[in-house]
Amino acid sequence: EAQVTQNPRYLITVTGKKLTVTCSQNMNHEYMSWYRQDPGLGLRQIYYSMNVEVTDKGDVPEGYKVSRKEKRNFPLILESPSPNQTSLYFCASSSVTGGPQYFGPGTRLTVT
Amino acid sequence: RKEVEQDPGPFNVPEGATVAFNCTYSNSASQSFFWYRQDCRKEPKLLMSVYSSGNEDGRFTAQLNRASQYISLLIRDSKLSDSATYLCVVNFGNFNKFYFGSGTKLNVKP
Repeated sequence: EAQVTQNPRYLITVTGKKLTVTCSQNMNHEYMSWYRQDPGLGLRQIYYSMNVEVTDKGDVPEGYKVSRKEKRNFPLILESPSPNQTSLYFCASSSVTGGPQYFGPGTRLTVT
Repeated sequence: RKEVEQDPGPFNVPEGATVAFNCTYSNSASQSFFWYRQDCRKEPKLLMSVYSSGNEDGRFTAQLNRASQYISLLIRDSKLSDSATYLCVVNFGNFNKFYFGSGTKLNVKP
């Protein structure tokens, strides 16, 4: 089954404790993105990747890091999480630049 | 000004009604346009891409007006299962950079 998976689905952590949210797709897509969704603000793009080792900042990259060492995986790293990073996070992939995206199920992160 | 703007609604309509949503975008160089559906904080799911000539998929029709910089979604014969939030998404031509509207909530009532 073609899908985008994310782990964990739910995470409660404390300020400053490094965490990684994994994202994997099995569709051989070149393009992947991370978004956060906050009430009233919609989805905002954090980082995107055009291919292995090629990443670029979206609209809200501060406080986040990404890496793309393999085509299928695109982890999101929060080196020192803060409460304002409490949000719902989605990973997405697409086969064509600027094309339709397929989203993972989301990761609900709470930073206390 | 936000890059992509939508009326948040909610739109409350009876079953069988026709309902239309608009979405405006700020960048005239925008290249690709989409409507997604999102149920109750679940992942967005692609409803349809929007093409310059307009396109239809069953009860759903999408149109693009480049001159006025808006896209629209028309839902005919609304079903209870159409109740969801509809997200407008625009790619400004910057590789894989996308802008989402905040969504329009639709409630279809019996």
